[in-house]
Amino acid sequence: EPEVTQTPSHQVTQMGQEVILRCVPISNHLYFYWYRQILGQKVEFLVSFYNNEISEKSEIFDDQFSVERPDGSNFTLKIRSTKLEDSAMYFCASSANLGWGTTEAFFGQGTRLTVV
Amino acid sequence: AQTVTQSQPEMSVQEAETVTLSCTYDTSESDYYLFWYKQPPSRQMILVIRQEAYKQQNATENRFSVNFQKAAKSFSLKISDSQLGDAAMYFCAYRSASSGTYKYIFGTGTRLKVLA
Repeated sequence: EPEVTQTPSHQVTQMGQEVILRCVPISNHLYFYWYRQILGQKVEFLVSFYNNEISEKSEIFDDQFSVERPDGSNFTLKIRSTKLEDSAMYFCASSANLGWGTTEAFFGQGTRLTVV
Repeated sequence: AQTVTQSQPEMSVQEAETVTLSCTYDTSESDYYLFWYKQPPSRQMILVIRQEAYKQQNATENRFSVNFQKAAKSFSLKISDSQLGDAAMYFCAYRSASSGTYKYIFGTGTRLKVLA
């Protein structure tokens, strides 16, 4: 069964460093998301992406964050200068369509980001 | 803004017994989707069951069923004949169908333990 894959599974980085989290969505999906979950807290929406542009973003998704679909298969989340509070599990998701008869979002297994 | 509340951080059930996980949500919209996702340890979230708000009939998927009370804004998940493999974190999620926003809004999750 097709699945969303994320790499790496765990990333440790120094505060102030840039990190890139990678995701390979399901191949025929059109809508992509990044979510994060700080330990013990709820899963929070960061950004959605469709047709090579951001369709929606949350207030968490500030100028330190960016997303890209560089080659038609990967979907990346970049954090330019990491802060301690960026430590969280980051989930990528993709969906085939979003209108009536919608399909659900399929989630990756997550990347645990630890900022030290 | 929509919110999703799961008031049970943790639940336990004896193998073969039935358990109900609670979820309430708040929205002013009339068209939306509700989902239950299961997240086993160190694995990605997978869809358990979904409900379209316009459908009065409660969704069922094998041993999983929901009690959808639209007026009360309640969406509980019932797991019958619980199995050891049902042990996981369960997330309730909301997604608008009509506002042009396609983000999923999650509750904080309920950790289900299944006792042998």
